[in-house]
Amino acid sequence: EAGVAQSPRYKIIEKRQSVAFWCNPISGHATLYWYQQILGQGPKLLIQFQNNGVVDDSQLPKDRFSAERLKGVDSTLKIQPAKLEDSAVYLCASGNGLETQYFGPGTRLLVL
Amino acid sequence: GIQVEQSPPDLILQEGANSTLRCNFSDSVNNLQWFHQNPWGQLINLFYIPSGTKQNGRLSATTVATERYSLLYISSSQTTDSGVYFCAVDTGRRALTFGSGTRLQVQP
Repeated sequence: EAGVAQSPRYKIIEKRQSVAFWCNPISGHATLYWYQQILGQGPKLLIQFQNNGVVDDSQLPKDRFSAERLKGVDSTLKIQPAKLEDSAVYLCASGNGLETQYFGPGTRLLVL
Repeated sequence: GIQVEQSPPDLILQEGANSTLRCNFSDSVNNLQWFHQNPWGQLINLFYIPSGTKQNGRLSATTVATERYSLLYISSSQTTDSGVYFCAVDTGRRALTFGSGTRLQVQP
């Protein structure tokens, strides 16, 4: 079974630029999550999708972050414009609603 | 929201030693998972353990839900066990709330 795929793996941008990350969950997983992990901390939820609907986006900075999951499969997370404090690893996870969440390898973002 | 506290924050072991990592949480949970984040940043599932005890090779975990804590045991540690160990809980919303992790370094 293929795992959660993410791209790109690394991204370096300057502040005020825009960036987008892509995630493809495990086949058949209805739930998809985006987490932000700042260096030295545990991951924190940004947004949760169930199929193509948003379940929880209460911690998403909506003035600059947006996410979508068209057709209920893969998802994109966008930041526009980026700030220095957005430097982090962005992790995508998926689950089948039962037990374990499975995480992708993450995208490392550095904002200069 | 729920608070998740992990201890110790840092741990240095000699290869072959045993260790116990602790996770305390402030409310009832539906789901508790232990993860190992390797040096490349990949989060690897170790256990799904909302209650009871499980074992997988040199690793085992126990969750006492009524007392709101979980323990991860690592026996005969190896250098490949190095990394950060996270406890994460779900209170029914399915999204996980993570602790701040225990950074483990196993020295040869």
